[in-house]
Amino acid sequence: DVKVTQSSRYLVKRTGEKVFLECVQDMDHENMFWYRQDPGLGLRLIYFSYDVKMKEKGDIPEGYSVSREKKERFSLILESASTNQTSMYLCASSIPGQGWIEQFFGPGTRLTVL
Amino acid sequence: AQSVTQLDSQVPVFEEAPVELRCNYSSSVSVYLFWYVQYPNQGLQLLLKYLSGSTLVKGINGFEAEFNKSQTSFHLRKPSVHISDTAEYFCAVSRGGYQKVTFGTGTKLQVIP
Repeated sequence: DVKVTQSSRYLVKRTGEKVFLECVQDMDHENMFWYRQDPGLGLRLIYFSYDVKMKEKGDIPEGYSVSREKKERFSLILESASTNQTSMYLCASSIPGQGWIEQFFGPGTRLTVL
Repeated sequence: AQSVTQLDSQVPVFEEAPVELRCNYSSSVSVYLFWYVQYPNQGLQLLLKYLSGSTLVKGINGFEAEFNKSQTSFHLRKPSVHISDTAEYFCAVSRGGYQKVTFGTGTKLQVIP
């Protein structure tokens, strides 16, 4: 079974802090994704990566950056957290050669910025 | 540009009753369509997908969906729901395997005992 793990289930940070959200997948997937999920808005793509050291902006990249130094790990960084970044963050990966066809999601990190 | 509309934000249904969750999409080209399910406190899981071929797609847990190109719809159905089907369901669309997936806003299915 594919396993996508996220470093924290719940996180509380203060405005202005630098926040790191970590995601690890154990199936040698090339493609990895970061989404945020908000009630009534569904999932919105923040960043994605097709390979190590490669990144592409999604629909809402402002205020975020990412890092992919190893194939299995994709980190989301909030350089200076703000209250409007309070949300559920979901990481996903997909099978090599299948692009976006089936994404495997982690359990999510619920981030609260005070 | 592609988009997905899930008109129903919440659908209550009694246990063992049938259910249909509606999804309409817009795209000027051929599409791939997906339904994902999110159980409480979990990530999303693929329920079923339409890539090509038969317009009736069967998924896990007894769910099925029908691709209707003329009506640009991909409604999800189950003939008899269980308490364990209580979850949020997301419809999603893509223009191809290596094209970005766009998710709908989700429909919360509440199964009432």
